[in-house]
This record gives sequence, C-alpha cells and structure tokens, in this order.
Amino acid sequence: AQRVTQPEKLLSVFKGAPVELKCNYSYSGSPELFWYVQYSRQRLQLLLRHISRESIKGFTADLNKGETSFHLRKPFAQEEDSAMYYCALQGSSNTGKLIFGQGTTLQVKP
Amino acid sequence: SAVISQKPSRDICQRGTSLTIQCQVDSQVTMMFWYRQQPGQSLTLIATANQGSEATYESGFVIDKFPISRPNLTFSTLTVSNMSPEDSSIYLCSVEENTDTQYFGPGTRLTVL
Repeated sequence: AQRVTQPEKLLSVFKGAPVELKCNYSYSGSPELFWYVQYSRQRLQLLLRHISRESIKGFTADLNKGETSFHLRKPFAQEEDSAMYYCALQGSSNTGKLIFGQGTTLQVKP
Repeated sequence: SAVISQKPSRDICQRGTSLTIQCQVDSQVTMMFWYRQQPGQSLTLIATANQGSEATYESGFVIDKFPISRPNLTFSTLTVSNMSPEDSSIYLCSVEENTDTQYFGPGTRLTVL
C-alpha cells in the first residue's frame, strides 16, 4: 500500500538551530516525492520536489531509497519558517494522485 | 504557475442541504483534482476531474455524494450533497501543470450544522 508517514506532529526549535522534518514512505515502484508548506492563513504551496534537487528558502531534501525516506532539512531555522509542512508521494502510474502525510507543524522560537 | 481561485471561500450550511464549490484556473490544464482536509487531518484525494468525461473517484468517495463537473479545461465544480456534520472540512482543488507538479487553490472551508 502507498503510504507517507510524518512521525512528528510538532517540531519546536530555536532560531538558528538546524531543522530536520522526517518523512518516510511506502511504495513499491519509483515514487516522486514533494514537500508542500502552508504558512498561516495562506494556501498550500509547493516547497520542493526531489527530482529537481534544488534548495528552496534554504531547505533541501534527499531521497534515500534504501531507507525509503525524504527528510527535509535546513541548517539554520528562521522564525518565518514556522508553518505546517506536508510530505507527499506521487506514484509512477501517471494518475497524478498525491498521497499526503499527516503533516508536521514547525515552530521556530525567537 | 497557474492562478487558482475557489468560490465560496467559506460557508456554513444546514444538514441535508447541498453546496457546490467552484474552481477556476487562469490557464488550460488537463488534470484537475479535488481534495478534502478534515479537521486535524491531512489531505485526501476525493476524485480526479476529467474534462469531457466522468470523474474518477477514490475509494470511499462516490458520485452521488460528491458529483463533479468539468465542462472545460479551466473550470470544475464539486458538489457536496445531502450534507451532514461529518462533511465539515476544507475542500481544495488542485491542478497539475506540465512539470507534473500540483498547485492548490485557497480552499473552501465548509461547516455543516
């Protein structure tokens, strides 16, 4: 079964501290993985996708097929990073369907 | 990326009634999707809205409860029929662009009394 797991509902860090938001997936094929972010009172927006291998707002995520993980990392958290983060999986069946994790609220304290 | 709008942004409805949510995109897109986000939960795909044909529903969702229209490549509607308090959720439409990336509308917050 296709599944995305984000084990932490809430992650609280101080400004300047490193951040790692965990995401594990279950999928038998070659998935595409995404991180979406929702800031307060804003719509859900794409943060990054694994195939682009880019850094957005200082965040990076590496697909580890051996560990079936796609953790989101940032070396130095900023207060404006406080938001809800969702990890999502798109299977290779080309249906476009996204499977979302439960989401992790990141709280960056001053 | 495409600009997506939804109407209404929020509504409070009585049980047993129906509500139609509109999703408008500023460019032609092939794939449009409807998701539900129940309180405290993640997003769950309801159906894929296919232009010119019937929507494709996910397990647990049926056409009688969530009829969908897709009259053209820029517009879709989702109706929540015979509502009950359990239908209180945020309903979101999304579109997939050529990059196989989905972009989301602002959502419609529905409360059923």
